[in-house]
Amino acid sequence: EVQLVQSGAEVKKPGESLKISCKGSGFSFTSYWIGWVRQMPGKGLEWMGIIYPGDSDTRYSPSFQGQVTISTDKSINTAYLQWSSLKASDTAMYYCARQSGGNFDYWGQGILVTVSS
Amino acid sequence: EIVLTQSPATLSLSPGERATLSCRASQSVSSYLAWYQQKPGQAPRLLIYDASNRATGIPARFSGSGSGTDFTLTISSLEPEDFAVYYCQQRNNWPPTFGPGTKVDIK
Repeated sequence: EVQLVQSGAEVKKPGESLKISCKGSGFSFTSYWIGWVRQMPGKGLEWMGIIYPGDSDTRYSPSFQGQVTISTDKSINTAYLQWSSLKASDTAMYYCARQSGGNFDYWGQGILVTVSS
Repeated sequence: EIVLTQSPATLSLSPGERATLSCRASQSVSSYLAWYQQKPGQAPRLLIYDASNRATGIPARFSGSGSGTDFTLTISSLEPEDFAVYYCQQRNNWPPTFGPGTKVDIK
């Protein structure tokens, strides 16, 4: 069974750093792109970027380029999304998803990140 | 960046009725358009890919059509579990983008 299991909810202060994770199982992790999608409170979905764990090729949407870093550790089938300095506007639900044929066919359960002083 | 516009923003229907959702792209996306369903508190779920192909396990009451700039998601007869928000997403141009969503709620 294909699964993407994300780490737990986070509460952080502005300026702090954060790295959240997404662990894949039930499929060949190095053979699929893994993407990240943001959903701000009460809002729609935003495509952030993707990474190919096989060679760490990473692509960002221009809206998120320079704002976040996507990485992977293929030895443990895990992808990451990280911030070096969080802002209140980073408060959102973050989903990871497996990309197949250009579409997100399996999704993680989501991680709620709350940034508040 | 391609902008996707979805209409209507909200669709109020009763179970058993037919739902027709629209997604319009600011420029052609060929057939590279997908539809996702999201229920409250849940992750999105892929329904339709490449405009008209149902994803694995998706009931036949869901169908997609269109190409170029105009696309439609049709739910032939609404079941109680179909009341949700539906998003379209294009992958023809970089970056991939989502539409703002259509909420299908119970009349």
